[in-house]
Amino acid sequence: IVLTQSPGTLSLPPGERATLSCRASQSVSSSYLAWYQQKPGQAPRLLIYDASNRAAGIPDRFSGSGSGTDFTLTINRLEPEDFAVYYCQQYGSSPETFGQGTKVEIK
Amino acid sequence: EVQLLESGGGLVQPGGSLRLSCAASGFTFSRYAMSWVRQAPGKGLEWVSAISNSGTGTYYADSMKGRFTISRDNSENTLHLQMNSLRAEDTAVYFCARDPYSNSWYDYWGQGTLVTVSS
Repeated sequence: IVLTQSPGTLSLPPGERATLSCRASQSVSSSYLAWYQQKPGQAPRLLIYDASNRAAGIPDRFSGSGSGTDFTLTINRLEPEDFAVYYCQQYGSSPETFGQGTKVEIK
Repeated sequence: EVQLLESGGGLVQPGGSLRLSCAASGFTFSRYAMSWVRQAPGKGLEWVSAISNSGTGTYYADSMKGRFTISRDNSENTLHLQMNSLRAEDTAVYFCARDPYSNSWYDYWGQGTLVTVSS
């Protein structure tokens, strides 16, 4: 399954809402989709699993939604620490695959 | 506290070999499936290989089959990746990651170890 993330780069000021898209080339089984945040020089950090479940310790301004082939990560009220690259991952079909990433940058 | 610490990266010539290790602590290692995920410089994430909690099941991305071997030592809480016949396109940071439910997401990641394949 090929995951296509859009946009490639999202430029927003702090306090705004970010909406990131992840589209799959075929249906993702049982909404087995996760979202990760990665900052430069760091490992990815799990945000969302099973499309809409927040991982432990993740602020509630992060939310995930979607099913089938279309998934969305929403970040409400962007904080300075939220500017990073975000990846989606599907684990419903083998091999698991990642999207190419969306960079959220400060405008 | 869950910790994953990779080691073994470095510079290797094309066609060479390298063995990566990932030392796990802070959790019962033998209960979890584990994976290797890599990231080429400036690029996205790519799944490399996975192993079941017992070590009896191993899985590889197509481009790594026959060249890479994943293994684990549950008595030493260590994950390994033996990489042979390395190519320039294998240059990447290699992360080990914990899979909490086998074939699921990754809840903990190591900081990664850089592998550079170049003459």
